[in-house]
Formats: sequence, structure tokens, C-alpha cells
Amino acid sequence: QQQVKQSPQSLIVQKGGISIINCAYENTAFDYFPWYQQFPGKGPALLIAIRPDVSEKKEGRFTISFNKSAKQFSLHIMDSQPGDSATYFCAPYSYNFNKFYFGSGTKLNVKP
Amino acid sequence: GAVVSQHPSRVICKSGTSVKIECRSLDFQATTMFWYRQFPKQSLMLMATSNEGSKATYEQGVEKDKFLINHASLTLSTLTVTSAHPEDSSFYICSARGPQLAKNIQYFGAGTRLSVL
Repeated sequence: QQQVKQSPQSLIVQKGGISIINCAYENTAFDYFPWYQQFPGKGPALLIAIRPDVSEKKEGRFTISFNKSAKQFSLHIMDSQPGDSATYFCAPYSYNFNKFYFGSGTKLNVKP
Repeated sequence: GAVVSQHPSRVICKSGTSVKIECRSLDFQATTMFWYRQFPKQSLMLMATSNEGSKATYEQGVEKDKFLINHASLTLSTLTVTSAHPEDSSFYICSARGPQLAKNIQYFGAGTRLSVL
């Protein structure tokens, strides 16, 4: 049962452009909505996260937009840089089940 | 931020042998550790959750006799892949959470690339 659907699967953006990655979920019991960044051969690292009582959170060039009614949240990377090239995962968390539900991942390639 | 160390980073073994992977929390006490498996170009799949001093809780479809998890101390959890076969070749990643950290905060190790010949 796939509870988290992430899109697109891959994304190519020019340096300075905006990267947008979307995550849709089915379980309304999720309590925390993080995005993780993973470089090849490394473990994921928390990039930015949002709680369901907030519609938007910005940290530097990274912004999460959260739409509770649509059960969607997205990651926006402003002024994308080649160093942002990585795989990004949404991973909503359920306190009740004590688990993160990882999306399928989006491979971002920022061209110089 | 908290540091989680995973060792080894890469291991190659023969089919039928057992391999042990270590996950250590270096600067905090990890009351809970998670073990994930990641196939190439795929997402992370949770294998099991281990709490210090108790038996691990395995996800559906994960063979507990094949993937032995021990969390004997607050800073160390181990995953042993017993009688490894080529289909066990994968990227194994641990994460850890401490008593002082919120339940929704976990720190990941760098992963272990297992190749079974």
C-alpha cells in the first residue's frame, strides 16, 4: 500500500532556476512533514520540515508549502545551484506508528 | 547536530557467509535505532525498529532470522545479515533517535554498501 507519492521522479534545472518537488499522501494521521537530501553513497540528511499547523516554512533558499486539505506538500529550491544536485525524499512521520514513510525520491540535476 | 557513525561503509562477501554492520551514536544516547534498506535508485524501506535492551520490531516481510538486530547499549546497534545471498546485496542505512530528541527527529548514518558474490 503506497501511502506517499512523490513527483517528479527526476528533474533537470538550470543554475539559478527554481526546483519544485511534490509529495502527496493518503494518511491523514501524519504529524510531521520533512524533506531529506541524499547524495550518492551517503545517508539522507534532514533538509527542512514542517508541522501540519503551518502552511509554509522558509529556510534560506528552501521552502516547504503545505496544503492540508489537499494532502500535499512541496519543496521549492530557489536559485538552484549545482551543489543542490542530489536525490530528495519526502518522508511524512506518524507519531502513532512511530514511522517515517519515505516517498520514491526525486533525482535533481542542476546544470551549471 | 547529532552524529551517527556506520561501519563498514562497504563490504563484499561470499554467498553463504554472514556480515555484521555496526551503527553508533557518537554524541548522544540512542534509545531507538532504525534499519533501512535501499535498492539502487529506489526509496528507503524500513526493515526494523530496535529499542535499547529489547527485541527489535520487524516490518512485514522482513525475515527476522535472516536479519539479526542487536541493540545492547545506548550507543550501538548491529545488523547481521546471516547466510547472505546475492539478492541481499543492497545499501543498508541506520538511523538513531535519542531520549532527548523529539520522536520525529532521527539522524542517519552514511550507509553500508553490501555486495554478495
